[in-house]
Amino acid sequence: ETGVTQTPRHLVMGMTNKKSLKCEQHLGHNAMYWYKQSAKKPLELMFVYSLEERVENNSVPSRFSPECPNSSHLFLHLHTLQPEDSALYLCASSQEALVGGSTDTQYFGPGTRLTVL
Amino acid sequence: GQNIDQPTEMTATEGAIVQINCTYQTSGFNGLFWYQQHAGEAPTFLSYNVLDGLEEKGRFSSFLSRSKGYSYLLLKELQMKDSASYLCAASNDYKLSFGAGTTVTVRA
Repeated sequence: ETGVTQTPRHLVMGMTNKKSLKCEQHLGHNAMYWYKQSAKKPLELMFVYSLEERVENNSVPSRFSPECPNSSHLFLHLHTLQPEDSALYLCASSQEALVGGSTDTQYFGPGTRLTVL
Repeated sequence: GQNIDQPTEMTATEGAIVQINCTYQTSGFNGLFWYQQHAGEAPTFLSYNVLDGLEEKGRFSSFLSRSKGYSYLLLKELQMKDSASYLCAASNDYKLSFGAGTTVTVRA
């Protein structure tokens, strides 16, 4: 596998379910990101991890819980979601995530299409 | 805060040229990215401008004016496969702030 992969590609869940989204990058990058993409809206940055340490939590509700066990894997744990959380969730990675430094190109995975009933 | 504006939709004919404009207001600006996103697929990197001026890459060119907070993506010799959403993103430190995307439809 090359690039950034995400599983599952599609997920339907009820508001009381608990599920997890997985992202894996095969690029040797040190930074990983979660974004939310809703129809006709800009991508919203949710979380940023650099070397497995969270450096950004963009005011995301606690029903979304990220986990980064190593620099190649990123998870997004979901529980008690709301229908308005239905969206495409994109993972991305970049070589570095340097606070106060220049931006590296981010490479995106194909996303998980989430529907909350 | 960050404010990124780009048109919602554009339509053009195969073989034509289309220019997608993007204006941005962001603190600590580093540079400007353009991504292409086909329906149901991942955004893919097209270009990154740090300095003022035009960068050409085959049929695609991107321009940046830092003083005006303005960029454009120029698509030449349009092909049907260029039908996609084009995302403008301003970088600030390690963060990208995205516009809502411009959906380009190429017609035969």
